[in-house]
Amino acid sequence: EAGVVQSPRYKIIEKKQPVAFWCNPISGHNTLYWYLQNLGQGPELLIRYENEEAVDDSQLPKDRFSAERLKGVDSTLKIQPAELGDSAVYLCASSLALGTSGTDTQYFGPGTRLTVL
Amino acid sequence: AQRVTQPEKLLSVFKGAPVELKCNYSYSGSPELFWYVQYSRQRLQLLLRHISRESIKGFTADLNKGETSFHLKKPFAQEEDSAMYYCALLTQGGSEKLVFGKGTKLTVNP
Repeated sequence: EAGVVQSPRYKIIEKKQPVAFWCNPISGHNTLYWYLQNLGQGPELLIRYENEEAVDDSQLPKDRFSAERLKGVDSTLKIQPAELGDSAVYLCASSLALGTSGTDTQYFGPGTRLTVL
Repeated sequence: AQRVTQPEKLLSVFKGAPVELKCNYSYSGSPELFWYVQYSRQRLQLLLRHISRESIKGFTADLNKGETSFHLKKPFAQEEDSAMYYCALLTQGGSEKLVFGKGTKLTVNP
């Protein structure tokens, strides 16, 4: 089992450029999460999907961030345009539960480290 | 509002010494708490959760609702315990999400 797969692992871009991150969850996991982790901080939830539906995107800055999970499997997170303050690690996680995530373990991917110059 | 506080950014102990990583939370509902660990160059992974009442790798954590704490303890630290430890609270009721503390970096010296 490969676990949650994320790509790329590292990305360096100039400000105002677009960037996209990809995540493939563990097979069979219905729930997918995108987290943002700033340096010296814990992860913060950006968006949660149950299958293809975004059930919690209240923390996603919608002016520049977007996400999709069209077929309810893999997901893409996009930033357009990127700003200096977006430099961080973007984590993807998945869990088996659907609607009752309280008792199911979230499995994290290795993250994508974004540097905006 | 829900909040998780880990007061120690860094914690250093010697091998064989007891270790306690502190975690306090603020939450109006019924809390469900977790400890996650991230070893060097590895991904974040679940260490233990309070509802399981289990000991993982010698670590235990007891939920104290009176003190709103969920401290992580191990009686005899090992060098391989060196890692980042994050305490997390699961909010419930419509918008379940994990709220993480800022983490504590534990270093176990030989």
